Amino acid sequence: NAGVMQNPRHLVRRRGQEARLRCSPMKGHSHVYWYRQLPEEGLKFMVYLQKENIIDESGMPKERFSAEFPKEGPSILRIQQVVRGDSAAYFCASSPQGVGYGYTFGSGTRLTVV
Amino acid sequence: DAKTTQPPSMDCAEGRAANLPCNHSTISGNEYVYWYRQIHSQGPQYIIHGLKNNETNEMASLIITEDRKSSTLILPHATLRDTAVYYCIVNAGNNRKLIWGLGTSLAVNP
Repeated sequence: NAGVMQNPRHLVRRRGQEARLRCSPMKGHSHVYWYRQLPEEGLKFMVYLQKENIIDESGMPKERFSAEFPKEGPSILRIQQVVRGDSAAYFCASSPQGVGYGYTFGSGTRLTVV
Repeated sequence: DAKTTQPPSMDCAEGRAANLPCNHSTISGNEYVYWYRQIHSQGPQYIIHGLKNNETNEMASLIITEDRKSSTLILPHATLRDTAVYYCIVNAGNNRKLIWGLGTSLAVNP
């Protein structure tokens, strides 16, 4: 039973390029969450999705960031026109439906903008 | 802002119990206490959670005070591999975002 799979593990982009981060949740999990972690800081919530629906995007920057979780395939976090301040670790977590379960996190994608 | 308060760092000798405290004095009746840890920038790892009763699993024990305003995570026999940042989070069950503080950096020493 594979865990939460994120790819790529490391991503280097030049300023102005697009970054696309992928997350495949655990089998049977229908809820996906994206978090960002800057160096020496805690995790910051970005967005919560269910299949084909964005449930809570209160942590997403208003511009350049978008997320989707299509009916088929992984969840995608897209960052357009990246800037140096986007350099961070991006973690995806998944959970089953219901109350009282812990999240399962992926290993993260380390984005470096040069 | 995080609803929990944790000491920024703690030390523990290898083989001894590590007791990590957490204050959550404003916890609501429907909020659980969750514990996660993060080992050297890896993805956070779920440890344990509880609502009212004390809980135990293969990783740790969670002791919640009767008034639910504080809790303690107990690693019964700490090993070097338990060196990590431990996060205490209160959350009204699943399917909601988690608000993370800065956690407690636990150093297990040989």
